[in-house]
Amino acid sequence: ETGVTQTPRHLVMGMTNKKSLKCEQHLGHNAMYWYKQSAKKPLELMFVYNFKEQTENNSVPSRFSPECPNSSHLFLHLHTLQPEDSALYLCASSQPGTSGNEQYFGPGTRLTVT
Amino acid sequence: AQKITQTQPGMFVQEKEAVTLDCTYDTSDQSYGLFWYKQPSSGEMIFLIYQGSYDEQNATEGRYSLNFQKARKSANLVISASQLGDSAMYFCAMRWYSGGGADGLTFGKGTHLIIQP
Repeated sequence: ETGVTQTPRHLVMGMTNKKSLKCEQHLGHNAMYWYKQSAKKPLELMFVYNFKEQTENNSVPSRFSPECPNSSHLFLHLHTLQPEDSALYLCASSQPGTSGNEQYFGPGTRLTVT
Repeated sequence: AQKITQTQPGMFVQEKEAVTLDCTYDTSDQSYGLFWYKQPSSGEMIFLIYQGSYDEQNATEGRYSLNFQKARKSANLVISASQLGDSAMYFCAMRWYSGGGADGLTFGKGTHLIIQP
């Protein structure tokens, strides 16, 4: 595997379910990110982790719970979601301290809440 | 607060023509970074090009170049000799510092580019 991978690619869940999204990066980066992309809205940053420590929570509701056990893995735990949480969830990684610190994205998880 | 504005919701361009995608930004920071990403229908965001605010030369990466006009706060993406595979959503983004060493990105709403044969 290379780059940034995300599983599952598609997820349908009911409002009372609990599920988790997984992200893994094979780039040796130290920072990881979760973004939400809703229809007709710009990408929104949700969480930032640097060296496994959360450095940013962009006012995300508590029904989204991130976990970063190490610099290569990032999870997003979901519970009691709402239909408006249906979106494409993108994970990214980067290497802080480099010139551009450009973020590399995974393919995303398309989430539908019914 | 930072803001990215992309004023072209959609564009149609003939194959092999050059295309310019507009991006203006607003920030009070002196040091910042500007990025362009491509998102095909598959959903993955693909990094194209980066421009630092202190870079004096416009960034170039293959067929992509960034026309950086700092005084006008614009960072337009130029694609030369467009190809059918260039059809996608294109997003301009600005880096901001989260304080913990890792940076976040603020994105514009995007431009849907369609290359016609």
